[in-house]
Amino acid sequence: SQQGEEDPQALSIQEGENATMNCSYKTSINNLQWYRQNSGRGLVHLILIRSNEREKHSGRLRVTLDTSKKSSSLLITASRAADTASYFCATDNYGGSQGNLIFGKGTKLSVKP
Amino acid sequence: SQTIHQWPATLVQPVGSPLSLECTVEGTSNPNLYWYRQAAGRGLQLLFYSIGIDQISSEVPQNLSASRPQDRQFILSSKKLLLSDSGFYLCAWGSGHSGNTIYFGEGSWLTVV
Repeated sequence: SQQGEEDPQALSIQEGENATMNCSYKTSINNLQWYRQNSGRGLVHLILIRSNEREKHSGRLRVTLDTSKKSSSLLITASRAADTASYFCATDNYGGSQGNLIFGKGTKLSVKP
Repeated sequence: SQTIHQWPATLVQPVGSPLSLECTVEGTSNPNLYWYRQAAGRGLQLLFYSIGIDQISSEVPQNLSASRPQDRQFILSSKKLLLSDSGFYLCAWGSGHSGNTIYFGEGSWLTVV
């Protein structure tokens, strides 16, 4: 079953601009993760935020989590053409099978040079 | 360091033929193992997960099966492929603990013709 839903489905920006992607989920969670997928490749983990955290940074990435709204956002600052990829949020259901992640459908980001 | 290998990378198979995709993990012991499928332009669907040798859980009813004959080997199989089995198959591993990151292989493209 689908847990996370990313928004927008596709995003096209110019290099240097910021990119914001959102994720909504349905059930209580222990943590939320963001992954990146280059076209035709496997997914790569970017960042994890726990349910008791509100904001987390990693390099040019900033993730926020609002458990009251069951939503998260991923902000990529000063985007580069190399950031072009699909971005997925993933959650593990609180009380569910340990370690299993449920992924959203992803946001396809295109950064134009 | 841990690595995950998945093969073959691409496969074109006729309808009704069998399938075998193999995945192995190195550098860790007793990992949780996963098979995901990604249809074109869609999110990831969890097909199977395994917490140990010969312990397989199926998330969705389907034409596929999985086996784990060794601790770090995970195999996805089908006796007779359907056109709808076409897609991008991803093997992944994780520690199995709540909050764990999942690490993906490079994926296998399956086209059923």
